[in-house]
Amino acid sequence: AQRVTQPEKLLSVFKGAPVELKCNYSYSGSPELFWYVQYSRQRLQLLLRHISRESIKGFTADLNKGETSFHLKKPFAQEEDSAMYYCALRGSGAGSYQLTFGKGTKLSVIP
Amino acid sequence: DGGITQSPKYLFRKEGQNVTLSCEQNLNHDAMYWYRQDPGQGLRLIYYSQIVNDFQKGDIAEGYSVSREKKESFPLTVTSAQKNPTAFYLCASSVHREGGYTFGSGTRLTVV
Repeated sequence: AQRVTQPEKLLSVFKGAPVELKCNYSYSGSPELFWYVQYSRQRLQLLLRHISRESIKGFTADLNKGETSFHLKKPFAQEEDSAMYYCALRGSGAGSYQLTFGKGTKLSVIP
Repeated sequence: DGGITQSPKYLFRKEGQNVTLSCEQNLNHDAMYWYRQDPGQGLRLIYYSQIVNDFQKGDIAEGYSVSREKKESFPLTVTSAQKNPTAFYLCASSVHREGGYTFGSGTRLTVV
């Protein structure tokens, strides 16, 4: 069974402070990991995926297979980063289409 | 303008009634999904479909049914057997297993 755990329901940081949203997963194979973001009154949208190894809006995330983690980081938080963030996992099996999501972390950036 | 459209945005249902939520995409995506989003629960998979005329149960399929007669459409029926149907329902699509999902804007269902 695959599982995604986001230990923090709510994370509050001051503007300009570093941000780290934690994500741990449980999966026996080689998963594909994603971060999705939902801004207020907007659709859930893809932020980044580990395969791309890209930085979007200043956010980065590195897959750590040893610690089974995929934490989302940003060195300097901005007010517009306030949103709900979901970590998600896709399995590596041939029939693995669906994503398993964590329960989400609400990030609040304090001006 | 390609995208995924869910309708209606808000839906009210009386107890004991079935109701169908619409999801249409013009992205030419093969796979489509239905998730339920509850506060503090994240997104939980209800059903998904990889190709036309085929679909699989997700983690919380009881009380729901789907059909996939066309590539573009993946309607979800919330039946009277669903014990706690009041929730926010999200539809998504993807190109096979590649890439991430494109999400719809959601339907908020309230049982009155």
